[in-house]
Amino acid sequence: DQQVKQNSPSLSVQEGRISILNCDYTNSMFDYFLWYKKYPAEGPTFLISISSIKDKNEDGRFTVFLNKSAKHLSLHIVPSQPGDSAVYFCAASPQRYYGQNFVFGPGTRLSVLP
Amino acid sequence: DSGVTQTPKHLITATGQRVTLRCSPRSGDLSVYWYQQSLDQGLQFLIQYYNGEERAKGNILERFSAQQFPDLHSELNLSSLELGDSALYFCASSEGEGGYTFGSGTRLTVV
Repeated sequence: DQQVKQNSPSLSVQEGRISILNCDYTNSMFDYFLWYKKYPAEGPTFLISISSIKDKNEDGRFTVFLNKSAKHLSLHIVPSQPGDSAVYFCAASPQRYYGQNFVFGPGTRLSVLP
Repeated sequence: DSGVTQTPKHLITATGQRVTLRCSPRSGDLSVYWYQQSLDQGLQFLIQYYNGEERAKGNILERFSAQQFPDLHSELNLSSLELGDSALYFCASSEGEGGYTFGSGTRLTVV
């Protein structure tokens, strides 16, 4: 049973528009969430995080929103750029403690079209 | 360069063989994690070590094993390889709070 779901395997967006990537989770114990970006032939790289004490975290063009009651988070990229084309993974963990392991979603492939 | 080093980058081997994947974590990171990414699949957690001790196990097959050495590098041993073991194997390390830093992965092809 998938605890972290990303129901859109792929998403295409025009350059300059907003990209919205969604993630749902089933485990109510999850308390800390990350987004990773992965280019082909490279390892995933950390993008942005959010803990359950917040409902929004912003870093430049990237904003993550968390709705704990709906067990849903989303990543907004504004404006989208061709270099944002990658696979985006959502990851969740029960708490932000030392040496924990995260559960990853299956990923969403974002294509930003020029 | 993320600071997490994985070797080799590519590995081609035959069914039934055994291979060892190596990971050197970022300097100062005590935790090492191994993940498997099969074609069109997400990242599946295999196993975690913390300062030499196994901390958590995920969907790791009995044919697979890992260890973390005193210098904190880790090895993932895959034996009796099957075609379905072909995948990208990622190692990640962390210092504690926050997320992981991933290596660039080892692509294993079993023929």
